[in-house]
This record gives sequence, structure tokens and C-alpha cells, in this order.
Amino acid sequence: GAVVSQHPSRVICKSGTSVKIECRSLDFQATTMFWYRQFPKQSLMLMATSNEGSKATYEQGVEKDKFLINHASLTLSTLTVTSAHPEDSSFYICSAIRTGSYEQYFGPGTRLTVT
Amino acid sequence: GEDVEQSLFLSVREGDSSVINCTYTDSSSTYLYWYKQEPGAGLQLLTYIFSNMDMKQDQRLTVLLNKKDKHLSLRIADTQTGDSAIYFCAEKEGNNRLAFGKGNQVVVIP
Repeated sequence: GAVVSQHPSRVICKSGTSVKIECRSLDFQATTMFWYRQFPKQSLMLMATSNEGSKATYEQGVEKDKFLINHASLTLSTLTVTSAHPEDSSFYICSAIRTGSYEQYFGPGTRLTVT
Repeated sequence: GEDVEQSLFLSVREGDSSVINCTYTDSSSTYLYWYKQEPGAGLQLLTYIFSNMDMKQDQRLTVLLNKKDKHLSLRIADTQTGDSAIYFCAEKEGNNRLAFGKGNQVVVIP
């Protein structure tokens, strides 16, 4: 199978602090990973495309200095929410494309709550 | 991204078939996908179809693609209570990005 994990699954942080979310492809290599956020009862909104060894590509309206993405290896991408605010509270989901494939596999998501 | 439209809610009795529909706008899409999302979880890839196919069957799942009308459907045969979830269709855009529909909640009544 193709398994993507995320850590942590849930996190609560205080306003103004930073939070790092990890996305790992456990049994395959992924040159490309994606980060989405999902609000309750809504679809997924693509935030950025994370490419191994290069800078992430951010979607329009997503602040790259606030949502820092690092894709240092073929199996790990991290999303750091800097200076978190309550409006950043959301469900963050990553996905990974198996290198050489068109199949995109999703992680289980991380529930971020900023108090 | 491209617009992907889905209806919102479907209620179905256990054992019946359920059909979820989706329309998309980008006729150049090469791959179209169906994902399932259970509460509080990520998305599970159910199946996908290449644009040169009209139909794909995978166990209880049948995907139909009407390229002329840009219409995609997912039929679930013998629907089970474990099929209760939100189903998203998605089309592949450039750079492997996916454009998702709004999702269709399926509720299976025992």
C-alpha cells in the first residue's frame, strides 16, 4: 500500500506561538507533496505544493512567511504555522504523489486549535 | 483551479446502490479521482479513471465518465453502513495538483 502519516494528529497551541506539522510517506518516495486546509463541512483548499529540494509553490492568498514549508527529503515535508492566530485553527491535510505515478495519497490530517 | 461541481447529500438504504455525480470543466484533464473521507480523517483514494476510458469497475465501485458532458459518476453497489462518508471527486490539473468538488455526504440507513 501507500501510506502517508502526519504528526501530530491534534495540537492545541497558544496564540502567537509556532506549530510544526510533519507529513511522511512511509513506504514510497514522494518528490511532490501538497498541503491543504479544510474548514468544517467544506472541501479541501490547496495551500502549497512542496517539492523536494526546492522552494514550495504557494497558492494565491497563502502567506509564505506564515506557512513555512520544508521538503528536505523524499519522504518528509513539514509545515510550520508561525505566529499562530485563532483564525489559523483548521484541519490541515497533506498528500504525497508516489514518484513516477499519478496516484495521490493523503495523510490522516492534523487538527490545529489556536487558543 | 478548475470548477468541479458536486451535489451535497445522499441518503441510501443498506444494500441498495448509491450513485454520486460530479461535473468538471477542464476537458483536458487526464485523470479523474474519487476520494472518501470519514469524519475527522484524511482522504482515502477509492479509484481513478484515465480520460481515455468510459468506465472502470473495481469490486463494488463503478466509475462512469462522459467526456462529452464532462460528467463523472461513482456507483457503489450493495452499499454498506461503512460506506457512510463524504465523497469527493477531483480532477488532475497541471503540476499534479488536484481540483476538488465540494463533496457529497452519503448516509447509509441500516
